[in-house]
Amino acid sequence: AQSVAQPEDQVNVAEGNPLTVKCTYSVSGNPYLFWYVQYPNRGLQFLLKYITGDNLVKGSYGFEAEFNKSQTSFHLKKPSALVSDSALYFCAVRDGRDDKIIFGKGTRLHILP
Amino acid sequence: DTEVTQTPKHLVMGMTNKKSLKCEQHMGHRAMYWYKQKAKKPPELMFVYSYEKLSINESVPSRFSPECPNSSLLNLHLHALQPEDSALYLCASSQGPPSGRLDTQYFGPGTRLTVL
Repeated sequence: AQSVAQPEDQVNVAEGNPLTVKCTYSVSGNPYLFWYVQYPNRGLQFLLKYITGDNLVKGSYGFEAEFNKSQTSFHLKKPSALVSDSALYFCAVRDGRDDKIIFGKGTRLHILP
Repeated sequence: DTEVTQTPKHLVMGMTNKKSLKCEQHMGHRAMYWYKQKAKKPPELMFVYSYEKLSINESVPSRFSPECPNSSLLNLHLHALQPEDSALYLCASSQGPPSGRLDTQYFGPGTRLTVL
């Protein structure tokens, strides 16, 4: 069965510092991995996805994610955090056999001014 | 344009009411989804429509009834709900088959439902 794990409930980062939000995955075949962000009282916004190819995936709002097959990880990163990046971040994995995606529990990111 | 719209934004209903949530997309997507999200939790899949046919039903109670009138519209009919059904209801759409691994779900802003 496919799954993703987000080991941190909350991550605090000072504004201007680099940020990392962690995600590890478990799939039986090729992983199709996604990051979504959710601002308060809003729907999920797609940030980026990994299908195949380059291990460093660039997405919206200056975010990027690094796919590491040996560590089965897909960590979300940004070189310099903004206060406006404070939100709830979900990692997700899709099984190529059907339309379902499985979400991690979410990580709340707090950027401190 | 990756916009999915949902109406209403907020809905308060009694346990005996009948109401409907609406979702619309004009991206030419052929798969549409309903999710339920409780506070500080990940979305939970309820239903998937692919080419206007119900393809996944995650054993949701019958008081929730989905409908896909055409490829751009998705409704969720609500009847005799319980207070524990209060949540954010999210609609999403994606290209659907045969896009396969390229498929990405795009979400609407959600409807905040409160059942009294």
